[in-house]
Amino acid sequence: EVQLVESGGLMVKPGGSLRLSCSASGFLFRGHSMHWVRQSPERGLEWISLISGDGSSTYYADSVKGRFITSRDNIKTSLYLQMTSLRTDDTALYYCARSNQAQSVGFDHWGQGTLVTVSS
Amino acid sequence: DIQLTQSPSSLSASIGDRVTITCRASQNILMYLNWYQQTPGKAPKLLIHGASILQSGAPSRFSGGGSETHFTLTISNLQPEDFATYYCQHSYTTLPYTFGQGTKLEIK
Repeated sequence: EVQLVESGGLMVKPGGSLRLSCSASGFLFRGHSMHWVRQSPERGLEWISLISGDGSSTYYADSVKGRFITSRDNIKTSLYLQMTSLRTDDTALYYCARSNQAQSVGFDHWGQGTLVTVSS
Repeated sequence: DIQLTQSPSSLSASIGDRVTITCRASQNILMYLNWYQQTPGKAPKLLIHGASILQSGAPSRFSGGGSETHFTLTISNLQPEDFATYYCQHSYTTLPYTFGQGTKLEIK
């Protein structure tokens, strides 16, 4: 069974940093690209980053580019999101999601989410 | 960025009804459109990919159609577990992937 479990969400002050983790199991981790998607009442569902299966390529939404870094450890089957210069509008539930292997890239498995709150 | 606009924003229907949700893209995205279902407190679940391909495990009462800029999600014979919020998402070659604002389906 595919499982994705996020952790690391906390309340932090504006300008602070945080590292989220996503532990994956039940599938060949290195065979799938992985994504971070966040959800908030204000912004709805927002895709924020993609990392290729071997970790050599990463892509980011403009809203996080230059502040967030996505990485992965295929030995530990884990995905990471290093978040810096956090702003109040980064407050959201952060999901890791597995990329399907279809022509139309979708997110076929999601974690339960981890809550990040940025507030002074 | 490609904008996706869903209509309606909310919808009331009864058990056994057939409903259709529309998603319009701001530019031609061919067939690169996916649909998700989200129930309260849960992560979204992929229902349809490639505009019309039913995701493994999704019930056959869900069907998707359309292409280019106009897409539909149809749910036939509504069941109690179908009352949820539905989102479209594009996966065209131009990043970022974006989602529609959602359509909340409620019991009448």
